[in-house]
Amino acid sequence: GAGVSQTPSNKVTEKGKYVELRCDPISGHTALYWYRQSLGQGPEFLIYFQGTGAADDSGLPNDRFFAVRPEGSVSTLKIQRTERGDSAVYLCASRESPLATDTQYFGPGTRLTVL
Amino acid sequence: SQKIEQNSEALNIQEGKTATLTCNYTNYSPAYLQWYRQDPGRGPVFLLLIRENEKEKRKERLKVTFDTTLKQSLFHITASQPADSATYLCALDGGSGGYQKVTFGTGTKLQVIP
Repeated sequence: GAGVSQTPSNKVTEKGKYVELRCDPISGHTALYWYRQSLGQGPEFLIYFQGTGAADDSGLPNDRFFAVRPEGSVSTLKIQRTERGDSAVYLCASRESPLATDTQYFGPGTRLTVL
Repeated sequence: SQKIEQNSEALNIQEGKTATLTCNYTNYSPAYLQWYRQDPGRGPVFLLLIRENEKEKRKERLKVTFDTTLKQSLFHITASQPADSATYLCALDGGSGGYQKVTFGTGTKLQVIP
């Protein structure tokens, strides 16, 4: 594909429900990042994958959040027992390699609203 | 703790003037600093990267400076146009080789008035 895609673009759920957010990175990009962005704030790092493994999950706020990338391409961010405070735009980005000189390409984000 | 500060207030300038945005950071020694543009409802788009040993970088109407002593980067858009209106984010990258964690500032909203 031409860029990073994310589905769904919008997700409305009720407090306590489980949600999955999907990211399709650019083909061949080994590095994949998840961020969360609240209104008026910059993206906040959640987790980084190099290939299939989560190299850094230090940004995940608590154990309700989990992400996988089983085949080293598509990634899914999973949120259990959602809370109203989880409402935000969840952004995914990919990079050809983890090197800082490689451009990070962002998807359009998934807007999550927890009622 | 690490902190990245950008002007929280929106910056309004007249078309044709130079816009200057500021990014200050503390408790951080980044090897790289990046600037991104973000339009409403979209993900950030990479604009420029500057290394810690570079003082200045240019790309078309964009210029970035990086002062590791002041812990500050300035981002300039010359001959600004209404199409430049967007939120601009600075981001710091550890650059210690291998894995890179990127930390973003809060962004500054730029409005170019025709």
